[in-house]
Amino acid sequence: GQQVMQIPQYQHVQEGEDFTTYCNSSTTLSNIQWYKQRPGGHPVFLIQLVKSGEVKKQKRLTFQFGEAKKNSSLHITATQTTDVGTYFCAEFNFNKFYFGSGTKLNVKP
Amino acid sequence: GAGVSQSPSNKVTEKGKDVELRCDPISGHTALYWYRQSLGQGLEFLIYFQGNSAPDKSGLPSDRFSAERTGGSVSTLTIQRTQQEDSAVYLCASSLARGSNYGYTFGSGTRLTVV
Repeated sequence: GQQVMQIPQYQHVQEGEDFTTYCNSSTTLSNIQWYKQRPGGHPVFLIQLVKSGEVKKQKRLTFQFGEAKKNSSLHITATQTTDVGTYFCAEFNFNKFYFGSGTKLNVKP
Repeated sequence: GAGVSQSPSNKVTEKGKDVELRCDPISGHTALYWYRQSLGQGLEFLIYFQGNSAPDKSGLPSDRFSAERTGGSVSTLTIQRTQQEDSAVYLCASSLARGSNYGYTFGSGTRLTVV
């Protein structure tokens, strides 16, 4: 079942500040995916990380997979109001992805 | 179709009634998943279909829940004798194939309210 823990649960930032959410697992992960869910919307796939120590960037978003493949982070540089939403990590287990509890990001203009 | 289509988008039902939720995955996607999301919560896995294989029903919360997938395409999630705790958004997702290398494409969900 679900083993990935996600922190923080909530984050309120001023527009322009940075934001980071973390996922931690007690077991070694085969890979990890990240999704974004806008308020009132559905989760949208952002990226997948597979390799130990992998770092991927999408504009202001930086995704990282830990060296031991037990943790991952999503960092947003200089947040904008369009970044508002809940960010979920998901771990693959038993042929499906289990989602973390999510980090809800609020950006104050 | 271009995306995952779910219907209805909203459903209000009386406690004890049965409901059927429909999911039409992306054409060519062989894997289909149902998740449930309660207000402000994460996604709870319910059931997973892959091609013609037997579905993985390990996430279904009770025997009141069942799902089928006809012809490897459209799926229906049925909840019998609905209870108030069944109120949630039911999300369907599809992916190109089974396995960890494919991201999920979610539908917009069905918001179920049991009164």
